Amino acid sequence: GNSVTQMEGPVTLSEEAFLTINCTYTATGYPSLFWYVQYPGEGLQLLLKATKADDKGSNKGFEATYRKETTSFHLEKGSVQVSDSAVYFCALDNFNKFYFGSGTKLNVKP
Amino acid sequence: GAVVSQHPSRVICKSGTSVKIECRSLDFQATTMFWYRQFPKQSLMLMATSNEGSKATYEQGVEKDKFLINHASLTLSTLTVTSAHPEDSSFYICSARVPADPYNEQFFGPGTRLTVL
Repeated sequence: GNSVTQMEGPVTLSEEAFLTINCTYTATGYPSLFWYVQYPGEGLQLLLKATKADDKGSNKGFEATYRKETTSFHLEKGSVQVSDSAVYFCALDNFNKFYFGSGTKLNVKP
Repeated sequence: GAVVSQHPSRVICKSGTSVKIECRSLDFQATTMFWYRQFPKQSLMLMATSNEGSKATYEQGVEKDKFLINHASLTLSTLTVTSAHPEDSSFYICSARVPADPYNEQFFGPGTRLTVL
């Protein structure tokens, strides 16, 4: 089947710290992979995506590389800001259906 | 980018009443829209796929008669929660695909928080 597993939160970091949020997946075929961000009280916004193995998605300083050999799509950012505080969802799209991870809450303190 | 809106953003209703939530694609036509439900501190659960001009496809375990979906036009899908009960309280989010997008990206609405008293 298809599923996404994310590291449990919350993750609390100081401003300018390095961020990693782990995401692994199981899927049949060749899914596309996504990271979405959800700010309090809002819907999901696409952060970045990758459609095939070894692709690197990047946006606003965040990066994630599609690793087929380890079935992973870990999210990284070199220097987080307070404004990055949100819930981050890893997701895969396989055969036109989305499967989401449980979300990881990130708290960044000044 | 493509914009999806939802209305209302919040609704409070009494147990036993029905509530309608609208999902609109503002700057594109969407033949397919999706409805999700999100419980507090949990992930999104796909409820159904809404297809313009045809019946919605419901995920396993989702009651068709309770969650009525109508996709009457290329820019509007509605979700009606019938005879709502407190356990239906949740955050409902819709999304839509841009036709012919090779990456099948979904654009999400801002969500509707339903509280059933």
